[in-house]
Amino acid sequence: EVQLVESGGGLVQPGGSLRLSCAASGFTFSSYWMHWVRQPPGKGLVWVARIKNDGSSTNYADSVKGRITISRDNAKNTLYLQMNSLRAADTAVYYCAREWTNSGVYYDSWGQGTLVTVSS
Amino acid sequence: EIVLTQFPATLSLSPGERASLSCRASQSISSYLAWYQQKPGQAPRLLIYDASNRATGIPARFSGSGSGTDFTLTISSLEPEDFAVYYCQQCSNWPPLTFGGGTKVEIK
Repeated sequence: EVQLVESGGGLVQPGGSLRLSCAASGFTFSSYWMHWVRQPPGKGLVWVARIKNDGSSTNYADSVKGRITISRDNAKNTLYLQMNSLRAADTAVYYCAREWTNSGVYYDSWGQGTLVTVSS
Repeated sequence: EIVLTQFPATLSLSPGERASLSCRASQSISSYLAWYQQKPGQAPRLLIYDASNRATGIPARFSGSGSGTDFTLTISSLEPEDFAVYYCQQCSNWPPLTFGGGTKVEIK
């Protein structure tokens, strides 16, 4: 069974840093591109970042570029999101999601999410 | 950036009724569209991909249609577990990959 388990969320002050982790199991992690998607409280889904299966390529939403870094450790089956210079607008539940490609790019598995709250 | 607009924002229906949810793209996205269902406190679940293909394990009462800029998710007969929020997502021209604002299907 595919499992994605996020951790590392919490309360952080504006300007602070946080690193999220997503532990993967039940599939060959190193074969899949992975994403982070966030959801502000009571709002919709927003794509954050994507990383190639071998970690050699990344893409970011403009709103996080330069402040957030996606990375992975295939030996540990773990995806990461390093978040720096955090702002109130970064407050959200952060989901890791497995990319599934048919002719398009979709998400066939999601973690349960971890809440990040940026507040003084 | 491609903007997806979902309407209506809220749909109030009774179990057994038919639900039609719409998603409109700001420019043509061919058939590169998915639909997800999200229940409170849960992660989204993939329902439909490439506009009209049901994902693994999704009941036949869910169907998707459309291409270009206008898409529809239809639930032929609402079951109690179908009351949730539904999001569309495009992957035609990205990054950024974008989602619609969601339609909440609530019990009337």
